[in-house]
Amino acid sequence: QQQVKQSPQSLIVQKGGISIINCAYENTAFDYFPWYQQFPGKGPALLIAIRPDVSEKKEGRFTISFNKSAKQFSLHIMDSQPGDSATYFCAASMNTGGFKTIFGAGTRLFVKA
Amino acid sequence: NAGVTQTPKFQVLKTGQSMTLQCAQDMNHNSMYWYRQDPGMGLRLIYYSASEGTTDKGEVPNGYNVSRLNKREFSLRLESAAPSQTSVYFCASRSTGAAANEKLFFGSGTQLSVL
Repeated sequence: QQQVKQSPQSLIVQKGGISIINCAYENTAFDYFPWYQQFPGKGPALLIAIRPDVSEKKEGRFTISFNKSAKQFSLHIMDSQPGDSATYFCAASMNTGGFKTIFGAGTRLFVKA
Repeated sequence: NAGVTQTPKFQVLKTGQSMTLQCAQDMNHNSMYWYRQDPGMGLRLIYYSASEGTTDKGEVPNGYNVSRLNKREFSLRLESAAPSQTSVYFCASRSTGAAANEKLFFGSGTQLSVL
């Protein structure tokens, strides 16, 4: 049973365009929703994160939108650049039992120059 | 500052062989984790250790064992490797503290092939 569902699997965007990746979760006990970015041959690295008491968080070109009632959240990359080409993972964790973080299946983003 | 160090980086095993993946962090983190990454499956939690002296199963623990040797080190053991365990394995540790941002720090991974 996949607790965090992510779509699309892959995404191709023109340079300067907007990249949108969506995630949905089931367990309402999750209280922290990070996004990780992974380049080939590297481990994932935290990109941006949000808690469910806010509906949006923006850091530079990256924005998380969060819909608590729908149990959905999304990552928007504005003005996408070729350097943004990477695999993106949404995740969810809860502040109990060791802070387990459950990841989505990942989205491979390719930004065309 | 090395962060999270994993060894080895690459390993090829034959079915039935055993091996231990090593992980160490130098950030004084309490919690450590082992994930496997497979195409189309994302990162799946194998085992985790919330603090020194404790370990718990994650999403896919079958075929693995772990040891939290001390606060720095968390090892993953495959007792009898199977082809289904071919994967990239990541160790991670979590930043802690009041209102911690719950950031996971990942190692660079171990690419394991079981023939």
